[in-house]
Amino acid sequence: DTAVSQTPKYLVTQMGNDKSIKCEQNLGHDTMYWYKQDSKKFLKIMFSYNNKELIINETVPNRFSPKSPDKAHLNLHINSLELGDSAVYFCASSQGGRPQHFGDGTRLSIL
Amino acid sequence: GQQLNQSPQSMFIQEGEDVSMNCTSSSIFNTWLWYKQDPGEGPVLLIALYKAGELTSNGRLTAQFGITRKDSFLNISASIPSDVGIYFCAGYNAGNNRKLIWGLGTSLAVNP
Repeated sequence: DTAVSQTPKYLVTQMGNDKSIKCEQNLGHDTMYWYKQDSKKFLKIMFSYNNKELIINETVPNRFSPKSPDKAHLNLHINSLELGDSAVYFCASSQGGRPQHFGDGTRLSIL
Repeated sequence: GQQLNQSPQSMFIQEGEDVSMNCTSSSIFNTWLWYKQDPGEGPVLLIALYKAGELTSNGRLTAQFGITRKDSFLNISASIPSDVGIYFCAGYNAGNNRKLIWGLGTSLAVNP
């Protein structure tokens, strides 16, 4: 009965590769988010989609491209991975401006 | 981007002690949220506050929305080992409920 589920939980890959992370929520929320948490634990918003429409696009390299096929899914594709992309990526969802619910994260390690 | 000032940055306490942490902002907020993150998991909502002055409890946890709408605190009473984790404050600026503003977290360690 996981509310926000993201896959994979761990992702280890070589620099220069392209990878995707998937996120699905079964809460019926209309807004989904991607966050990056660095080694200092700060949660930095990357993107937000409301009903499949991009509403937040922070200063993120254009190697990162979110895609929302429907309001229950928000995937994150990353091209040409770099060492600095190593982090934990969290997906979250909310109903409008209500509290956000988080997935358990994807730990991305670049070799 | 904007961040909330959260303090203390870390705490190391004895089991049974009470804990207090707070968050301040330079602008008015209309929602304050407190989350806890356990190792290897995502943040989990503990308490949500929507009105200035509001005081809300969740078991041993109590949080308040400051009267000035620029601060909030979280208290944990009679701490236990499973309280260990990182506690984050977050909030929505008045006039922008699309982007959650986050504190840097308070790392809590409890000595049994």
